[in-house]
Amino acid sequence: DVKVTQSSRYLVKRTGEKVFLECVQDMDHENMFWYRQDPGLGLRLIYFSYDVKMKEKGDIPEGYSVSREKKERFSLILESASTNQTSMYLCASSFGGQETQYFGPGTRLLVL
Amino acid sequence: DQQVKQNSPSLSVQEGRISILNCDYTNSMFDYFLWYKKYPAEGPTFLISISSIKDKNEDGRFTVFLNKSAKHLSLHIVPSQPGDSAVYFCAASAASGTYKYIFGTGTRLKVLA
Repeated sequence: DVKVTQSSRYLVKRTGEKVFLECVQDMDHENMFWYRQDPGLGLRLIYFSYDVKMKEKGDIPEGYSVSREKKERFSLILESASTNQTSMYLCASSFGGQETQYFGPGTRLLVL
Repeated sequence: DQQVKQNSPSLSVQEGRISILNCDYTNSMFDYFLWYKKYPAEGPTFLISISSIKDKNEDGRFTVFLNKSAKHLSLHIVPSQPGDSAVYFCAASAASGTYKYIFGTGTRLKVLA
């Protein structure tokens, strides 16, 4: 059974704070992804990684960065949190190509 | 430019009846499609997939139909159960593209007991 875990289920941060969201998968997947989910907008891809130390911008990368130092771990960083980054953040992983993506439980982030 | 569209934000169905969720796409290069179900405060869970070489795929109560000429796919749930109440997302990708899936905006299904 694929397991994708995220470091926090709920987070409250202040504007301007640096925020780290961590994701770990235990299935030796090559690819990892960060999405945000907002009402009426569905899931939008922020960044993805297809190998250790490799990263690609998704559709909405502005204000975010990522780090993948180990295959199983993919971190999303908000360098200076802003209120418009209040959202549900979802991490996913997959073997590669068009393989099914498996999602973590999500982190609901509130930026005040 | 929304390449994957779910035009019905919500749908209500009586328990035991059929639920039909629709998804339209614009990119003719899309050749693999997924459906996910999402409960509140949880991550999406994979339901069923279909490749463009097929026009139907079935898994228990869930069937996905693909009409390539219309660029349309639908998810049928028969019979619908109260536990099916969730938000359903369709997603599409292209083999010639990167590793990205493009997700629709979701349809909230409510199955009434």
